[in-house]
Amino acid sequence: AQTVTQSQPEMSVQEAETVTLSCTYDTSESDYYLFWYKQPPSRQMILVIRQEAYKQQNATENRFSVNFQKAAKSFSLKISDSQLGDAAMYFCAYRSRGAQKLVFGQGTRLTINP
Amino acid sequence: ETGVTQSPTHLIKTRGQQVTLRCSSQSGHNTVSWYQQALGQGPQFIFQYYREEENGRGNFPPRFSGLQFPNYSSELNVNALELDDSALYLCASSLAPGQIYGYTFGSGTRLTVV
Repeated sequence: AQTVTQSQPEMSVQEAETVTLSCTYDTSESDYYLFWYKQPPSRQMILVIRQEAYKQQNATENRFSVNFQKAAKSFSLKISDSQLGDAAMYFCAYRSRGAQKLVFGQGTRLTINP
Repeated sequence: ETGVTQSPTHLIKTRGQQVTLRCSSQSGHNTVSWYQQALGQGPQFIFQYYREEENGRGNFPPRFSGLQFPNYSSELNVNALELDDSALYLCASSLAPGQIYGYTFGSGTRLTVV
């Protein structure tokens, strides 16, 4: 079974600075997807960024980028120029190709200090 | 285009009771997945419904059951409630069972069992 581990329960960063959230996963599969989701107090899971495992190039979405290390099974999220609105719980998630379910990590609470 | 809506937003039930949670999928989405998110944890997959049939199930007992209707909306039913069932219940809809694009979450139902 696949597992996802986020080793940082909480992180904080000064506004406008850069922060990196860590995620490792365990799988025996070669074809899968990795995601970072943001969950603000409104509780809705919002997709931040997605990475296909077959793509070597790291995904980027504006201020958000990932460092995908397939051999190390590592998938970190970098947030540049942090903004107050980035404060939320962040979840790393895994999904096998064609599978029904997302497998989530335990989450990292990100605080942005003004 | 409406998103995923869940009702009610909060409810309190007594141990041993039964509860029904509702989810309206995003327009055009025929697949609904349900997740349980205990406090301080990542969501865990309960099951998925596609074309009114259960299409995959996580490690949850049979007292967790569901339905999907012809309009693709869905219900999650939990019988014989236990204190550990207290959690945020999220549903997500998608265009198809294995589709990763446009996988959209609702804001959840917070269930408290006392």
